[in-house]
Amino acid sequence: RKEVEQDPGPFNVPEGATVAFNCTYSNSASQSFFWYRQDCRKEPKLLMSVYSSGNEDGRFTAQLNRASQYISLLIRDSKLSDSATYLCVVPHSGTYKYIFGTGTRLKVLA
Amino acid sequence: SAVISQKPSRDICQRGTSLTIQCQVDSQVTMMFWYRQQPGQSLTLIATANQGSEATYESGFVIDKFPISRPNLTFSTLTVSNMSPEDSSIYLCSVGGPSLGEQYFGPGTRLTVT
Repeated sequence: RKEVEQDPGPFNVPEGATVAFNCTYSNSASQSFFWYRQDCRKEPKLLMSVYSSGNEDGRFTAQLNRASQYISLLIRDSKLSDSATYLCVVPHSGTYKYIFGTGTRLKVLA
Repeated sequence: SAVISQKPSRDICQRGTSLTIQCQVDSQVTMMFWYRQQPGQSLTLIATANQGSEATYESGFVIDKFPISRPNLTFSTLTVSNMSPEDSSIYLCSVGGPSLGEQYFGPGTRLTVT
């Protein structure tokens, strides 16, 4: 099992839709998780952190399911500007390093 | 947040040559990281560069191929040596942010090897 796995997509959704995607991780000892957003031909930027049960920021909700070892990102009322690749990031156990998933590509359609 | 610049932003190089990528940060940082992002792939850590010590390389990356310099707390270079088409990729430098898991990335250097 890969350390971090994501469905590459693309997820094509209409404006206003709710979309969710998951990220599975292999290290059950992981305590914190992160979602990054990467626009086309741009660098990744931190979107949200996920600790314990979850986190919510406006239209974005990140949740953690420890039993099944996955985190999810839910986007409500999708905007065209949400179109991007969303990267799941997990700290490498016991180090300062981070493991990046391959990303899930989201396209919000007008 | 840290502001990071990279030079060059892109380059097209011939096989067998070397390219040095520069990374400049607007504040002093202890650790700088170099990543590679191949087409359609995620980010892979190449090495960690600490000022005043040798860089620490990840499995699959060696100093002879990717020598790194870290002369001060705001600057680092990554050289891609003896390039082959397989080295075509985006190379990004990053630094850690104040919060756990937060990293700031430079805009990347898009390298094409012909």
